[in-house]
Amino acid sequence: DSGVTQTPKHLITATGQRVTLRCSPRSGDLSVYWYQQSLDQGLQFLIQYYNGEERAKGNILERFSAQQFPDLHSELNLSSLELGDSALYFCASSLGTSGIEQYFGPGTRLTVT
Amino acid sequence: AQTVTQSQPEMSVQEAETVTLSCTYDTSESNYYLFWYKQPPSRQMILVIRQEAYKQQNATENRFSVNFQKAAKSFSLKISDSQLGDTAMYFCAFMKQGTGNQFYFGTGTSLTVIP
Repeated sequence: DSGVTQTPKHLITATGQRVTLRCSPRSGDLSVYWYQQSLDQGLQFLIQYYNGEERAKGNILERFSAQQFPDLHSELNLSSLELGDSALYFCASSLGTSGIEQYFGPGTRLTVT
Repeated sequence: AQTVTQSQPEMSVQEAETVTLSCTYDTSESNYYLFWYKQPPSRQMILVIRQEAYKQQNATENRFSVNFQKAAKSFSLKISDSQLGDTAMYFCAFMKQGTGNQFYFGTGTSLTVIP
């Protein structure tokens, strides 16, 4: 158990809908990272937050947004969902900003029908 | 843009034997890190080993070691004394340092340890 929690574990929704994925980092970690793992695109880094502020941005679509709250949990919002958004979404956390030692959560499996 | 290539989609090894997984990358950056992550059937991503580009000495973690060839942009993972629990997907990853941390992953190598 990495200490990173993600909810929900599974999510099934229809095209065009909007969902919110939640991540709680390990106790004491200030950085949160979001990743998407899909059959088509493989593993992709989406975005990093550090202590509430966006730190780095990867291949995140404009339909996707994220934020990190004062209690350090993070949410990834996915809107206008398409079939291709079906994927496993991972959250990871680390103590600092460097990202060299990240702890991954178990992931949220999103299925868009 | 950075790219990470894993040319071996699948590999197998007999228990207790040694196996090497290949990874090459392309970058113009000088400061970066390289990683190997393991994803077992549980889907949990687990850091296996990391290498700082400025270090010439190859990183080792128990049965896991890397062969880092910076000029050749090669970063292979050697697993010694393979165990059944090593059965997993292995991802090579690149992270550049500097303004923001950008991560790039290879497509993975599925390793099966045969009893």
